[in-house]
Amino acid sequence: DAGVIQSPRHEVTEMGQEVTLRCKPISGHDYLFWYRQTMMRGLELLIYFNNNVPIDDSGMPEDRFSAKMPNASFSTLKIQPSEPRDSAVYFCASSLGLNEKLFFGSGTQLSVL
Amino acid sequence: GESVGLHLPTLSVQEGDNSIINCAYSNSASDYFIWYKQESGKGPQFIIDIRSNMDKRQGQRVTVLLNKTVKHLSLQIAATQPGDSAVYFCAENYSGGYNKLIFGAGTRLAVHP
Repeated sequence: DAGVIQSPRHEVTEMGQEVTLRCKPISGHDYLFWYRQTMMRGLELLIYFNNNVPIDDSGMPEDRFSAKMPNASFSTLKIQPSEPRDSAVYFCASSLGLNEKLFFGSGTQLSVL
Repeated sequence: GESVGLHLPTLSVQEGDNSIINCAYSNSASDYFIWYKQESGKGPQFIIDIRSNMDKRQGQRVTVLLNKTVKHLSLQIAATQPGDSAVYFCAENYSGGYNKLIFGAGTRLAVHP
């Protein structure tokens, strides 16, 4: 298995633009997680899905952030409109269960100018 | 590894020495703990995990110790190698409300030849 695949690897955009981050979890994993990593706040859980259904989105910072999982092999995290303070590395991770280890993708480095 | 803002705590060791990285977790109800290693530009990589019904678990060159009385977790790396240089995160599975992994701020391990 290729592991968790994220795209793009890097994204540079201007304030106010829409940003869409993509993730393909490991096949057979029922849980998918979106994390954000910054120097100041570390790794923060934004939202997670179980069998494509959002379970806990309490970490989503604002209404500008939204996430979807239309099927078991694909998820998106969208920021609209983007702001400079959204600049961070966004990680997608998947796991077989809740009390199981997470497998992380390589992340998307987002820079909002 | 607790947060100190922009600067991660750093542990410097000589190649071949043993390393001990410490972590204080926050919730006495947490029942699952994981150590992750993150190299520059990459996503966190699973090292070892431990459940709350154990106090010690060993892997290849790594040992995790859990002290539930004082809510303390440690990662011991034997015969530290330059390739071990990375940021190490502990994570606890927080069972309050929804199960989810909460990550500590991280500790940077610098291995010197």
